[in-house]
Amino acid sequence: RKEVEQDPGPFNVPEGATVAFNCTYSNSASQSFFWYRQDCRKEPKLLMSVYSSGNEDGRFTAQLNRASQYISLLIRDSKLSDSATYLCAVTAGNEKLTFGTGTRLTIIP
Amino acid sequence: SAVISQKPSRDICQRGTSLTIQCQVDSQVTMMFWYRQQPGQSLTLIATANQGSEATYESGFVIDKFPISRPNLTFSTLTVSNMSPEDSSIYLCSVEEGWGQETQYFGPGTRLLVL
Repeated sequence: RKEVEQDPGPFNVPEGATVAFNCTYSNSASQSFFWYRQDCRKEPKLLMSVYSSGNEDGRFTAQLNRASQYISLLIRDSKLSDSATYLCAVTAGNEKLTFGTGTRLTIIP
Repeated sequence: SAVISQKPSRDICQRGTSLTIQCQVDSQVTMMFWYRQQPGQSLTLIATANQGSEATYESGFVIDKFPISRPNLTFSTLTVSNMSPEDSSIYLCSVEEGWGQETQYFGPGTRLLVL
């Protein structure tokens, strides 16, 4: 089983819709969780950290479920500019990020 | 967040040669890392670049193939040695700002094609 797993997609979603992705992790000792966004031929950019209490930044909401060992990302009122690959990343407190393979999202006009 | 630059941004190299990639940060950072992202794949950590000591390599990566330098808190290099077409990839450096925060920011990457 991979350490961090994501549905690769692609998710094709109409503009304005709500979309959600999950990311599961296998190491129960994982401590820090992140969502990154990667545009085509660009480097990953940090979208948000994921806290135990969940966190929200505008249209984006991230949640952590430790019992089931997954994190989620919800995007509301999706925009064309949200089209990208979304990578989840996890550390076990050793400062080493383990990335999922990413979920490709395309917002359709 | 810190501003990170990498040189070169891309290169095409012949097999058997070596390429050194530079990563420069505009502020002092504690942790620097080197990743590889092969076509269509996610990021894989190559090594942690330690200032003043040898890099710490992940399983599957060795110093002879990927020597790393970290002479100070703002600069690191990764060399891809004796290249083969399988080394064609994007190589990214990242930095962690603040001790123990575990939030990493990435440089723009170096796109390498080995013929």
